[in-house]
Amino acid sequence: AQSVTQLDSHVSVSEGTPVLLRCNYSSSYSPSLFWYVQHPNKGLQFLLKYTSAATLVKGINGFEAEFKKSETSFHLTKPSAHMSDAAEYFCVVSAASGSARQLTFGSGTQLTVLP
Amino acid sequence: GAGVSQTPSNKVTEKGKYVELRCDPISGHTALYWYRQSLGQGPEFLIYFQGTGAADDSGLPNDRFFAVRPEGSVSTLKIQRTERGDSAVYLCASSPPPTGHPLAGGANVLTFGAGSRLTVL
Repeated sequence: AQSVTQLDSHVSVSEGTPVLLRCNYSSSYSPSLFWYVQHPNKGLQFLLKYTSAATLVKGINGFEAEFKKSETSFHLTKPSAHMSDAAEYFCVVSAASGSARQLTFGSGTQLTVLP
Repeated sequence: GAGVSQTPSNKVTEKGKYVELRCDPISGHTALYWYRQSLGQGPEFLIYFQGTGAADDSGLPNDRFFAVRPEGSVSTLKIQRTERGDSAVYLCASSPPPTGHPLAGGANVLTFGAGSRLTVL
């Protein structure tokens, strides 16, 4: 069984300040972990993916995430928020078998960026 | 095409009617997935195709839901006797064929379409 918990349903930051979106996971196997972003009226877009090669993963648009097995966390960060980052972000876990059928999405975190 | 295309983008129907939602995946992507996203929630898995066959349909909520992919490309999600609770955004995604050992690179990255918003009155 696998699950993912996004700890904040809404996060609000000022433009130019750091972003932290929190995610904790539960998996019976070594997981693959993803972050996807969803802008209004657009499809979900892949941000980054963790497998096992490196615990710090860099994604698109300056986002990165760190896998911490001891904390079962995979938090998403960005040093400086832009207005264009305002969107909904989903943390996703997949079991080690690699089957996409086992992709489990979190409930999402809505990021607001204030001018 | 360049991305995953879904039609219609919006569909309003009456309770009890039949609905078809279409997905045109990225050319060459052998895997195709349907997800459903209700308001304020993350996407929930419905069904997964590898080629023409449904490799996993365990997420379909009941027998009113059915999906086909007869030629291994375009897929149609069919909903019979629609109910108000079926209202949601239906998302389609595709991914390329798996490469190497399944455990080597983890799950494939999915490319999602913009979704079909279904409203059942």
